[in-house]
This record gives sequence, structure tokens and C-alpha cells, in this order.
Amino acid sequence: DVKVTQSSRYLVKRTGEKVFLECVQDMDHENMFWYRQDPGLGLRLIYFSYDVKMKEKGDIPEGYSVSREKKERFSLILESASTNQTSMYLCASSLRGFYGYTFGSGTRLTVV
Amino acid sequence: GIQVEQSPPDLILQEGANSTLRCNFSDSVNNLQWFHQNPWGQLINLFYIPSGTKQNGRLSATTVATERYSLLYISSSQTTDSGVYFCAVHNNAGNMLTFGGGTRLMVKP
Repeated sequence: DVKVTQSSRYLVKRTGEKVFLECVQDMDHENMFWYRQDPGLGLRLIYFSYDVKMKEKGDIPEGYSVSREKKERFSLILESASTNQTSMYLCASSLRGFYGYTFGSGTRLTVV
Repeated sequence: GIQVEQSPPDLILQEGANSTLRCNFSDSVNNLQWFHQNPWGQLINLFYIPSGTKQNGRLSATTVATERYSLLYISSSQTTDSGVYFCAVHNNAGNMLTFGGGTRLMVKP
């Protein structure tokens, strides 16, 4: 069964910490995405990558960075976590053209 | 960028009832998808539907691209249909997928 796996289901971090969220897919998909989901706001795109070492800013990239050193792995980095980054973070991958769009189970991050 | 609006934001149904969810978008799009997020947070693709009508069991979807809207029909709803339904559109460049705010559905037994 194809999968997108996020490393943690729940995470609690302190303000100012550097936070890494990891995502791995086993479908050989070219595209990978990071979203955050907040009540009433739907899913908002933070960053996406359409190839190894390539990245593009989404709608809300401020305060985040990403890394894609291998095709199957896409990492989201919060350089200095803040309380307004408390949210559900969802990783997804797809083929080119956005077919086969598959989401991970999400990481609920709380910054205290 | 493209604006995607979904209605209603919340919906409560009695089991067995039918419903229609709507998705409006502000510009021409390359494709459109409907997703269901279950109460445990997992998002599953339901339909790819740039235009026309598709059916999958009790669910069907219609997109009228020229009028910039899509509809998701749920017939004979079941408690397992509960969750959040998202519409997402591809821009014409094909490099962005923009989600609507979702419709939260609760189906009561």
C-alpha cells in the first residue's frame, strides 16, 4: 500500500526551539508539499518541491524553510518556533500534474 | 491567486438524507479535486473532475468550469461520511493546488 509517512503524530515544542518535521513517501512521486491546517482556514500551502533540491514558496512561507535532499524525503523546518505556528501540519506527494495526490496523517504541533 | 470558496461551512444531516456541497472558484482552472478528511485527520482524494460529472457509489461530483463551480452530491448519507470535505483547484500553470475552507459534515444516526 502506498504511503506518505510523517515522523510524529503529536509534537510539543518550546518557543524559540528549532523544529524539524519529516515526511517520507514510497511512491516515487516527483512533487511533495507541506500544508498547515487551521480551523476555518482550510489547508494553506507553505512550500512545495517538484524535484530533488528544488523548492518553491507557497502562500505562507514566512517562518519556515524546507529541505529535499532525496526524492522520497521532504523536511519542514521551523527555525525558531513561535506560538502562532501551533497547528496541524500535513505533508502530501503527487505525480507531475498533481495526479495521485496522497496525504500523510498529519503532525499536530503545539508550541508553548 | 485563485480564491476558492465552499458552502455551507457546516452541515448536519440525519442518516439517510441527501446533500449537496458547493465549491466556487474565482478563475479558470486546470483541474479540480474533491477530498474527504475523516475525523482522525486523514485526507483521501474522492474525485479528479475538471469538468462534467463523475460518480462513485453514493457520491457524485459535477464541475461546470465555464461557470466556475463544482458540486459534490452525497446520497443516502451514512455516519461514516462525517468529516470535512475540501475542494481544491489547480491553477493553469499546473504548479499550485489551492484549497477551499472546507465543509464540515456531521451525519447523525
